[in-house]
Order: sequence, then structure tokens, then C-alpha cells
Amino acid sequence: EIVLTQSPATLSLSPGERATLSCRASQSVTRYLAWYQQQPGQAPKLLIDEASNRATGIPARFSGSGSGTDFTLTISSLEPEDFAVYYCQQRSNWPLTFGGGTKVEIK
Amino acid sequence: EVQLVESGGGLVQPGGSLRLSCAASGLTFSSHAMNWVRQAPGKGLEWVSSISDSGGSTYYAASVKGRFTISRDNSKNTLYLQMNSLRDEDTAVYYCARRRIVGVDWRAFDCWGQGTLVTVSS
Repeated sequence: EIVLTQSPATLSLSPGERATLSCRASQSVTRYLAWYQQQPGQAPKLLIDEASNRATGIPARFSGSGSGTDFTLTISSLEPEDFAVYYCQQRSNWPLTFGGGTKVEIK
Repeated sequence: EVQLVESGGGLVQPGGSLRLSCAASGLTFSSHAMNWVRQAPGKGLEWVSSISDSGGSTYYAASVKGRFTISRDNSKNTLYLQMNSLRDEDTAVYYCARRRIVGVDWRAFDCWGQGTLVTVSS
């Protein structure tokens, strides 16, 4: 099973600041890595697939990068609605696995 | 607009059974892989099971294999999860989610339902 480790667990930032979230895989997932955003009480929403492809309707301030075992989700300038929990997920191998999540909170 | 609506959750005793349903609309249901993902209270996301567009291939997390069965009825645009021998640790919100299939590539979970809560407790 591929283990995904997200860091940091919590990121405290102010609106307008840049957020950098990390996801590290225990073995290569090539580029089969996705990012999701989850607001409290809501279902997750797909942000990024294949490491860097934004999903339909996702603003350009969200960007993904990386390949192999190290991936990054960057939010260039935080909007109030971006404070949420973010998960990475690999679809390279069965079983599919998620990272433990990074909470982006208002400082 | 794509809609996925789960139902069938509730309170069940340990060792009991429950069947979840996910009704899909606004999409060509038979063209997509379908999936169940769960989230225990206050915890992260855990993939549970996936089924191919035709239903011919199924996949399970080790934690549910042998106890849960995923199935689909493409004529009814409905996905199911039969859950047997339920345990306390199966308590979670269960989401159904779509994965588009492009060629042989199953993409990420791009549409999600609102979830249904399953509580396993005596």
C-alpha cells in the first residue's frame, strides 16, 4: 500500500498570503496524484488531477506540481473561502489511498 | 448537472448489515467507474471500494474485503454497497463518487454525493 504523508498538518495564514502544501508518497506514483478541498460538513471537491491539471471551474490561484514521490499544492493568494482541509490522493496503484490532510486555517 | 444522492445509512448494531444506495442523474451512468469513500467522524478520507463501468471489475480496501460488496444497476443508474458483519470502526459518512474513464485511465474522483451516515453501535 502506498502511504501518502501530508505536511504540515496545520497551516495558519492570513488572507492574501501564499499557501504551500506538501504530499510525499512512500513510492513513486508517477503523476497520478490528485488534490481535494473539503469544507466543514461538505463533500470533498476535486481541485487538481494528474499532479498539475486543474479540474473544471477551479480558479487559477490553485496550482499543483511534482512527480514521482514529491508533490506540492500552491494557493497563490488565499481567499476567505480557501480556508479548509486539503487532501492528496494517489490513483497509481490499488488500493487507492489518501493523505491525512492539511488544515489551512485563518491566522 | 451531475447529481449523486446516497441513501440507506442509519444506526445498526455490531455484526449487522446495511445496504447503501447512490442514485445518479445528469450523467451517462454506464460510462463511468463508481466508488465509495468513507470518512469516520473527525477523521480523514478512506477509499472503500470501486466498480468498473460495466460492473465486471470490483476492488476493495483490505479493511472491508469479504464483508462489503459493491454493485451497480446501470438500467436504474444506481450504485450499491452491501455491508455485512459491521464493526464499530465502520462508523463513518459514506460518499459515492464518480471516476471518469478515458481510454484505460480511471481519473480522479470528480463528482461526489453529499454522503450518508452509518453508525455502528450497540
